[in-house]
Amino acid sequence: ETGVTQSPTHLIKTRGQQVTLRCSSQSGHNTVSWYQQALGQGPQFIFQYYREEENGRGNFPPRFSGLQFPNYSSELNVNALELDDSALYLCASSGAASGSWTDTQYFGPGTRLTVL
Amino acid sequence: KQEVTQIPAALSVPEGENLVLNCSFTDSAIYNLQWFRQDPGKGLTSLLLIQSSQREQTSGRLNASLDKSSGRSTLYIAASQPGDSATYLCAVARASGTYKYIFGTGTRLKVLA
Repeated sequence: ETGVTQSPTHLIKTRGQQVTLRCSSQSGHNTVSWYQQALGQGPQFIFQYYREEENGRGNFPPRFSGLQFPNYSSELNVNALELDDSALYLCASSGAASGSWTDTQYFGPGTRLTVL
Repeated sequence: KQEVTQIPAALSVPEGENLVLNCSFTDSAIYNLQWFRQDPGKGLTSLLLIQSSQREQTSGRLNASLDKSSGRSTLYIAASQPGDSATYLCAVARASGTYKYIFGTGTRLKVLA
């Protein structure tokens, strides 16, 4: 059983650019949630995908968008980057694994995004 | 709106001490509560998950309690070790709607050798 993986590990972009972050969920999990963690803060919920459909969204503008693929991996896209988008972006997988539901959200190591 | 508060924000203790981290939440209609550990610059490691119907969970030297009616949870760490140094985050999942976590801002723990 593999854990949650994210790529890239670190990323530096300039204001106005676009970025795509990737997440591979833990084997068998069909739900992926994305969180943004600013320095010194707790993670903030961005959105969640369940079986390729958005299943809830936090208080983030539309320039934050996502996708989930048939293999349950996911992407987070951010357009028109702003300085305040600099943060650690975490994805978490949960849901059905081998037929049994798990409430626990398993987090990936995160992608550190710096916007200059 | 659910708000999660963690006290203290930072804690420094000598090795071997037993300690308690506190978490409070404003809306008692939760599905579960989870404690996480985060090392600097790293992702989150789940420590303990307590369902809303449970009062406590234990794993090794860690014990987490939940008092839903008062909106409180505590994480008890016995015989602390320098390797316990990290930020500890408390998160609650709502009882309805999208299954998502609302996090506190964490307690930064330093255990001195």
